[in-house]
Amino acid sequence: GQNIDQPTEMTATEGAIVQINCTYQTSGFNGLFWYQQHAGEAPTFLSYNVLDGLEEKGRFSSFLSRSKGYSYLLLKELQMKDSASYLCAVRDGDSWGKFQFGAGTQVVVTP
Amino acid sequence: EAQVTQNPRYLITVTGKKLTVTCSQNMNHEYMSWYRQDPGLGLRQIYYSMNVEVTDKGDVPEGYKVSRKEKRNFPLILESPSPNQTSLYFCASSLRLGSGSPLHFGNGTRLTVT
Repeated sequence: GQNIDQPTEMTATEGAIVQINCTYQTSGFNGLFWYQQHAGEAPTFLSYNVLDGLEEKGRFSSFLSRSKGYSYLLLKELQMKDSASYLCAVRDGDSWGKFQFGAGTQVVVTP
Repeated sequence: EAQVTQNPRYLITVTGKKLTVTCSQNMNHEYMSWYRQDPGLGLRQIYYSMNVEVTDKGDVPEGYKVSRKEKRNFPLILESPSPNQTSLYFCASSLRLGSGSPLHFGNGTRLTVT
């Protein structure tokens, strides 16, 4: 199985940068996803990493180090609408249909 | 519009009364799955289906059943609901699990079992 850890909450100012870390312990690994979830809504896809390195998508970037079991999501030029929970999810390497999610990191953006 | 549709959005029921939460996707996705979301625990996978007539257990399958008779539908069945199944449930689908095909989530079903 997987054990996925991410911080519970982070606060940052509008316009700033925030980095959300995710560590995982895995019996198999086949990709890491980041999702955004606004309160009361469904999660929506942000990024995917399966190889080591940085993936950039506009204001959002995600990094993966498989040897360290570590990923981060970088949110740049924070906007008030970025206030949400950010979920780290790992796909099992042995059973591709199995996903494990972290508990989520609540990001609060202040004016 | 491409979407995953869950029904109902809200459901209050009593212990032991069988219920079904429906999930339908119109994107011809092969993969579908069910999750429950509880405070502090995140999303936990209940069951998943790689394709029609193929279903497998996730991490928390006890007390739930699923079926995948058609590609578009993946209902979640609680034969005898109990209060510890009170939760927010999400259905999700994905085109296929190769590369980075993301999960597309439905809007959720908030279930209360009294």
